[in-house]
Amino acid sequence: SAVISQKPSRDICQRGTSLTIQCQVDSQVTMMFWYRQQPGQSLTLIATANQGSEATYESGFVIDKFPISRPNLTFSTLTVSNMSPEDSSIYLCSVKGPNSGANVLTFGAGSRLTVL
Amino acid sequence: AQTVTQSQPEMSVQEAETVTLSCTYDTSESDYYLFWYKQPPSRQMILVIRQEAYKQQNATENRFSVNFQKAAKSFSLKISDSQLGDAAMYFCAYRAPQGGSEKLVFGKGTKLTVNP
Repeated sequence: SAVISQKPSRDICQRGTSLTIQCQVDSQVTMMFWYRQQPGQSLTLIATANQGSEATYESGFVIDKFPISRPNLTFSTLTVSNMSPEDSSIYLCSVKGPNSGANVLTFGAGSRLTVL
Repeated sequence: AQTVTQSQPEMSVQEAETVTLSCTYDTSESDYYLFWYKQPPSRQMILVIRQEAYKQQNATENRFSVNFQKAAKSFSLKISDSQLGDAAMYFCAYRAPQGGSEKLVFGKGTKLTVNP
């Protein structure tokens, strides 16, 4: 399956600042997904990032708060803007794995953000 | 909207014993995909097993098997010969049929403890 690298692994941020999370995949993939996992909770899809087009956001998530870039088929970034303590979560990048089946998502290890 | 319910927030099992984790889901689709993911403390989401709804045969992967009851919309995971390394959060997930939304809808998870 695809190998996904996320940076940073974890960070502690101040309220009102913004942080950009990077997701690098070792193979070309059409669709990349960004999920949020709040403390003790399940995963919720933030948006789907397609190369060459605007990201598609799920209900409750907006581009101004979570801008996404997808410059090529192996890389994407998610920015968490104007952070508040409620944004403290694990943010996970995922892709449809070319080798594990088109219907299976492979996940990165996540980026744990703590907002003070 | 599709929903996934895991009614057991926590489960425990003795090493070498068998445990079953429950999952029910709600959908109006006839063809879809179901998954069990494991999330150890490292945060890495790891695919455990998957099931295509059109297949009547229950999926099996080594010590992991599912009991897929389509009419009842139930998708339980059985772990046989439990090992200490099986301790993790287990998430049940649903994916719409091919051509539909690519996103995974997750349950809230079951925390599995394996006692030596």
